Amino acid sequence: AQTVTQSQPEMSVQEAETVTLSCTYDTSESDYYLFWYKQPPSRQMILVIRQEAYKQQNATENRFSVNFQKAAKSFSLKISDSQLGDAAMYFCAYSRPQGAQKLVFGQGTRLTINP
Amino acid sequence: DAGVIQSPRHEVTEMGQEVTLRCKPISGHDYLFWYRQTMMRGLELLIYFNNNVPIDDSGMPEDRFSAKMPNASFSTLKIQPSEPRDSAVYFCASSSPSYEQYFGPGTRLTVT
Repeated sequence: AQTVTQSQPEMSVQEAETVTLSCTYDTSESDYYLFWYKQPPSRQMILVIRQEAYKQQNATENRFSVNFQKAAKSFSLKISDSQLGDAAMYFCAYSRPQGAQKLVFGQGTRLTINP
Repeated sequence: DAGVIQSPRHEVTEMGQEVTLRCKPISGHDYLFWYRQTMMRGLELLIYFNNNVPIDDSGMPEDRFSAKMPNASFSTLKIQPSEPRDSAVYFCASSSPSYEQYFGPGTRLTVT
């Protein structure tokens, strides 16, 4: 079974600084998807970024980028120029690419932005 | 599009009562997922449907839980009888194949 591990329960960063959230996963599959979801206090789950395992290029969405290391099974999220609105729980998730994407989530990292 | 709609947003009930959570997926999405979020277990998949047919219910905790999808625009998750350990946030999500899942706002269930 696939597993996702986020080893940082909490992180904090100064506003405008850069922060990196860590995620590792375990799978025997060669093709899969990886995601970062954001859950603010409103509890709405919001997709931040998605990475296909077959793509070597790291995904980027504005201030959010990932460092995908397939061999190491590592998938970290970098947030540049942190903003107060980035404060939330961040979940790393894994899914297989075919058909339904059953998401397997990590435990989450609570990110605090200090003004 | 209005996104995934869930109702109610909050539900407080007494142990032993029946609870029904409702979900309307995004139009055109043919996959629907029910997740549960607790502090102890995090986010876990309960069941998912494809074209209104239940495909995998291995995450359903026990027989007290049941889910239905009578048509493409509506699904229910029912707990009967409810217990305090069922207190959690229940999310519904929908997607098309190989595309991102879009989550509803969740239903916070409290069983006293």
